[in-house]
Amino acid sequence: QVQLVESGGGLVKPGGSLRLSCAASGFTFTNHFMTWIRQAPGKGLEWVSHISTSGSTKNYADSVKGRFTISRDNAKNSVYLQLDSLRAEDTAVYYCARTLIAAAGNLAFDFWGQGTLVTVSS
Amino acid sequence: SYDLTQPPSVSVSPGQTASITCSGDKVGHKYVSWYQQKPGQSPVLVMYQDTKRPSGIPERFSGSNSGNTATLTISGTQPMDEADYFCQAWDSNTLYVFGTGTKVTVL
Repeated sequence: QVQLVESGGGLVKPGGSLRLSCAASGFTFTNHFMTWIRQAPGKGLEWVSHISTSGSTKNYADSVKGRFTISRDNAKNSVYLQLDSLRAEDTAVYYCARTLIAAAGNLAFDFWGQGTLVTVSS
Repeated sequence: SYDLTQPPSVSVSPGQTASITCSGDKVGHKYVSWYQQKPGQSPVLVMYQDTKRPSGIPERFSGSNSGNTATLTISGTQPMDEADYFCQAWDSNTLYVFGTGTKVTVL
């Protein structure tokens, strides 16, 4: 069965850095784009970034562009999110999600991890 | 930026039909998906590409998308359907945008 397990969250001061990891299993990792989505406490969902199967294509939300970096290691079935220059408004649960393969495009997220909480506070 | 607006809350009696709307400029030109999120849990995909149900999602969930409104309909709503629901639109230019979310209460 598909499993996505995030790790690396925690408490960090404004301006600090964190690296989130997501270990995938139960499917052919190299067939899927992978995505990070976040949810601030009590708020809605916000797409953060995704990465193509080979890692050659990466896209970011405007709110994190230039501060966050997504990467993947296909040999380890893992995807990562490096969070730099963190701000209070980056406080959220960060979910790793598998992008669904559809003929029309990479248009949805069919499996989600349990999430990892990032808290940015002094 | 592109915005998707949902009603904050929808109430429905057990066995009745709940309709959750997702409004956005020409959202009918994009593909819409829907996610169910219960308290303390991760979101679950319940509809994609406007009208397609993932494996394991009950037939009482259906979707439509036209013009400026996408709709998720739950027919014969059950108490287990009580949750937050988020729409999400995709196109190759805008990429991914989530709606504001709707709390469905089954009274």
